[in-house]
Amino acid sequence: DGGITQSPKYLFRKEGQNVTLSCEQNLNHDAMYWYRQDPGQGLRLIYYSQIVNDFQKGDIAEGYSVSREKKESFPLTVTSAQKNPTAFYLCASSISGWEQFFGPGTRLTVL
Amino acid sequence: GEDVEQSLFLSVREGDSSVINCTYTDSSSTYLYWYKQEPGAGLQLLTYIFSNMDMKQDQRLTVLLNKKDKHLSLRIADTQTGDSAIYFCAERIGGGGNKLTFGTGTQLKVEL
Repeated sequence: DGGITQSPKYLFRKEGQNVTLSCEQNLNHDAMYWYRQDPGQGLRLIYYSQIVNDFQKGDIAEGYSVSREKKESFPLTVTSAQKNPTAFYLCASSISGWEQFFGPGTRLTVL
Repeated sequence: GEDVEQSLFLSVREGDSSVINCTYTDSSSTYLYWYKQEPGAGLQLLTYIFSNMDMKQDQRLTVLLNKKDKHLSLRIADTQTGDSAIYFCAERIGGGGNKLTFGTGTQLKVEL
């Protein structure tokens, strides 16, 4: 089955810790995206990558970092510099930006 | 600028039609999309419309686009309880990494 997987589904972090969210796709898509979702605010773009070994900041990149070493993988690290990291994080991929396919999401809670 | 707005909530009775509205500000949008999000899940593409179209119908879904007013709507006919979800409109602007700008989402509640 082709699709996008995100792990873990739920993640808890203590203040001051970095944490990495996984996103993997087997759709052979070139582009991948990370969004943050907060209640009543829709989705906001954190980072995106159009090709391996290249990525760009989105609208709210501060406190986050990414890597794109493989076409299939686009992990997101939430660093201790992110002041309000509790949110629902969604990963997406697309073949040309035409239709974005979304993963099931990871809910991150800072304790 | 890029700004997409939606009302936050809509409640309808089962069997009625639902109309979810969206306004956007960037006239250079090329495609406009409607996504559905069920609780605790990712987004699922429902339908889309090219910016040179006025209307698109897909089974129970009808999308209307008014480019002059920058207004997009999604009509769901014969709304069912399974349609209860959050609905997002999104616009894609040509170039710039093929990014989408999403609206705030409309929570649709279908009552018996």
